[in-house]
Amino acid sequence: DTAVSQTPKYLVTQMGNDKSIKCEQNLGHDTMYWYKQDSKKFLKIMFSYNNKELIINETVPNRFSPKSPDKAHLNLHINSLELGDSAVYFCASSQANEQYFGPGTRLTVT
Amino acid sequence: GIQVEQSPPDLILQEGANSTLRCNFSDSVNNLQWFHQNPWGQLINLFYIPSGTKQNGRLSATTVATERYSLLYISSSQTTDSGVYFCAVGRTSNTGKLIFGQGTTLQVKP
Repeated sequence: DTAVSQTPKYLVTQMGNDKSIKCEQNLGHDTMYWYKQDSKKFLKIMFSYNNKELIINETVPNRFSPKSPDKAHLNLHINSLELGDSAVYFCASSQANEQYFGPGTRLTVT
Repeated sequence: GIQVEQSPPDLILQEGANSTLRCNFSDSVNNLQWFHQNPWGQLINLFYIPSGTKQNGRLSATTVATERYSLLYISSSQTTDSGVYFCAVGRTSNTGKLIFGQGTTLQVKP
């Protein structure tokens, strides 16, 4: 039983394209997050939603737009992709404090 | 914001050796987690340990919240322990986002 799942696992696309990454959790958690891991393995928060409401937006470019259709899903849409967007994107969820992470989506922009 | 420092940045061990990884943080927190990122990129929860001591098999962790540090002990290391170990901290009052250290890269040689 996968707790936090993401699709796709790998995404290769060209500059200027628009792409989406999907995240689903079956843990019944209220809060979901997107983190970005750069090429130096540094992990940083991007967004957080609690019960479909945005609660964190960490100075991420407007080209990134999270969408939460329900509390079990948090999708990430990226417009006009740039080379610098290449990274691994992790979704996570939590109920109290402890966070559980998805397997990650490796995005490569060429 | 809260700063998180992990040491050492890199560690090479012979199989069977023991090691201690350290995480220092700059402010009070009510969430502290240790993760192992395996060579396939998965972030695996090791411990949720805002204070106290926990053990899970060959791994144990101790957090001394009043002194703002946490230690992760790996005993009788195995090649499968290789990867990057992250400490991450957070505060519920700060929206619960996790702030990650830069990680300790562990290589266990057979």
